Amino acid sequence: AQSVTQLDSQVPVFEEAPVELRCNYSSSVSVYLFWYVQYPNQGLQLLLKYLSGSTLVKSINGFEAEFNKSQTSFHLRKPSVHISDTAEYFCAVFSGGYQKVTFGTGTKLQVIP
Amino acid sequence: EAGVAQSPRYKIIEKRQSVAFWCNPISGHATLYWYQQILGQGPKLLIQFQNNGVVDDSQLPKDRFSAERLKGVDSTLKIQPAKLEDSAVYLCASSWGRQGVETQYFGPGTRLLVL
Repeated sequence: AQSVTQLDSQVPVFEEAPVELRCNYSSSVSVYLFWYVQYPNQGLQLLLKYLSGSTLVKSINGFEAEFNKSQTSFHLRKPSVHISDTAEYFCAVFSGGYQKVTFGTGTKLQVIP
Repeated sequence: EAGVAQSPRYKIIEKRQSVAFWCNPISGHATLYWYQQILGQGPKLLIQFQNNGVVDDSQLPKDRFSAERLKGVDSTLKIQPAKLEDSAVYLCASSWGRQGVETQYFGPGTRLLVL
């Protein structure tokens, strides 16, 4: 079986401050990891993903996530957030053994002006 | 490129009634997914189609839920009869191929409230 844990349901942060959204996964086989974002009144959309190669992956809007196999984590970070980053962020995992994507419960990022 | 379309956007029904949701994926996408997202939880896969065949429906409550994807394009998800616990957002997504590593493109969802 596979699972994803997002411990923080809500993260308030001031504009221009750094942020880290935590994601831990559980799987006994090799995994592929994703972060999806849902902006207010919009559908889920892919933010970034790790398939193989460099463990640090980046999005076009300044977010990055690092795959840490030993800690089974894929935390999402941004050095300076904007108001427009206010959204709900979902971590997801796909493993070859389970053959489907499992989503976490989501973290609501609230950027405070 | 048009995105994934879903209708209706909102639906309120009473328990034991029936309801149907419609999804039109991105043109050319072979794989279509239906997810259920209950408030405070992440999306849970209900059923996955590859063209018009079912790849995975292990988490679909088959006693009340059904889905079809005729001609490998549009899809409908039906609930009959609905229960209170079916209140959720139903998300449709599509991807180019069937590999789980491929990016899924999500529609806006249908918000269902069962009274």
